[in-house]
Amino acid sequence: EVQLVESGGGLVQPGGSLRLSCAASGFTFSSYSMNWVRQAPGKGLEWVSYISSSSSTIYYADSVKGRFTISRDNAKNSLYLQMNSLRDEDTAVYYCARGSLRCLDPWGQGTLVTVSS
Amino acid sequence: EIVLTQSPGTLSLSPGERATLSCRASQSVSSSYLAWYQQKPGQAPRLLIYGASSRATGIPDRFSGSGSGTDFTLTISRLEPEDFAVYYCQQYGSSPKHTFGQGTKLEIK
Repeated sequence: EVQLVESGGGLVQPGGSLRLSCAASGFTFSSYSMNWVRQAPGKGLEWVSYISSSSSTIYYADSVKGRFTISRDNAKNSLYLQMNSLRDEDTAVYYCARGSLRCLDPWGQGTLVTVSS
Repeated sequence: EIVLTQSPGTLSLSPGERATLSCRASQSVSSSYLAWYQQKPGQAPRLLIYGASSRATGIPDRFSGSGSGTDFTLTISRLEPEDFAVYYCQQYGSSPKHTFGQGTKLEIK
């Protein structure tokens, strides 16, 4: 069974840092691109970042560029999101999602990041 | 940047009825790059339709997608109780890599 499990969320003060992880299983992780998508409370979906299968290509949403860093470790079947200089508006559930056929499938269950003093 | 606008914002229907959800793009989108997702409260989104009209694995055939260019539609032929949820369309592009519509909430009338 294809599975994605996020971890690392929590409460952090504005200006702080947090590192999210996504553990993948049930598929050949090194063959797929991966993404982070977030959803603020009561709001819609916002794509955050993309990384190709070999890490050679990376994209960020303008809202997080220069503050967030996506990375992966294919040997560990893991995806990461390093989040620095966090702001109130970064409060959201963060999902990792596999890139497949130009869409996102499947998604993890999400991890909640709360930025508040 | 392509903007996706979904309508209506909320759709109130009864089980057994037909639901028609719209997604309009600000520029022409390749059909290969248009997908639909379902999200229930407290759950992650689930892929329903990719390539504008292909059902994802395990998705019932009451769900269908159509459209091209700037106008795309998700149709649920006969609503089941478990279909009441929020639906998002999504476009795969260059930058940003993935763009979502704002969602349509399908609620029980």
